[in-house]
Amino acid sequence: EAQVTQNPRYLITVTGKKLTVTCSQNMNHEYMSWYRQDPGLGLRQIYYSMNVEVTDKGDVPEGYKVSRKEKRNFPLILESPSPNQTSLYFCASSVSDGVYQPQHFGDGTRLSIL
Amino acid sequence: QQPVQSPQAVILREGEDAVINCSSSKALYSVHWYRQKHGEAPVFLMILLKGGEQKGHDKISASFNEKKQQSSLYLTASQLSYSGTYFCGSDGVHGSGNTGKLIFGQGTTLQVKP
Repeated sequence: EAQVTQNPRYLITVTGKKLTVTCSQNMNHEYMSWYRQDPGLGLRQIYYSMNVEVTDKGDVPEGYKVSRKEKRNFPLILESPSPNQTSLYFCASSVSDGVYQPQHFGDGTRLSIL
Repeated sequence: QQPVQSPQAVILREGEDAVINCSSSKALYSVHWYRQKHGEAPVFLMILLKGGEQKGHDKISASFNEKKQQSSLYLTASQLSYSGTYFCGSDGVHGSGNTGKLIFGQGTTLQVKP
């Protein structure tokens, strides 16, 4: 089954403790992206990647890191999480450059930073 | 710059029609529409590319007016299953091509009542 898989689905952690949210897709998609969703603000793009070893900042990249060493994986790294990063996070992937093609979203990761 | 969606929320009775608008202060290259049900991931509805096209499937259609930098989503004879939050996403024109960035509006909550 074609899917985007995020792990973990839920995480409660403390300020400053490094964490990684994994994202994996099995559709051989070139484009992958991370979003955070907060009430009233919609989906805001954190980082995106057009292909392996090619990443770029979205609208809200501060406090986050990403890497794209393999086509299927696009982990989101919070080196020193803070409470303002408490949010619902979605990973998405699409064929090509993400503009002409639909984005397929993972089920989301709800992150709480205390 | 985040696209602006209007209205922010709408309540309908089954069978009524609705229009959701998405406006951008920047030139648009493409517009995406997604629907998100509570607690779930956004699901793709359609993509419109510059050229003033109109697309649709079933009783949901959309238009894209490149000159006015806006898109509208039309829901005809609404059903209970149409309830959810609708997001438009836009990719701005950058140089000779797209930016690769997808910026979403803040969302429009649609509730369809029996």
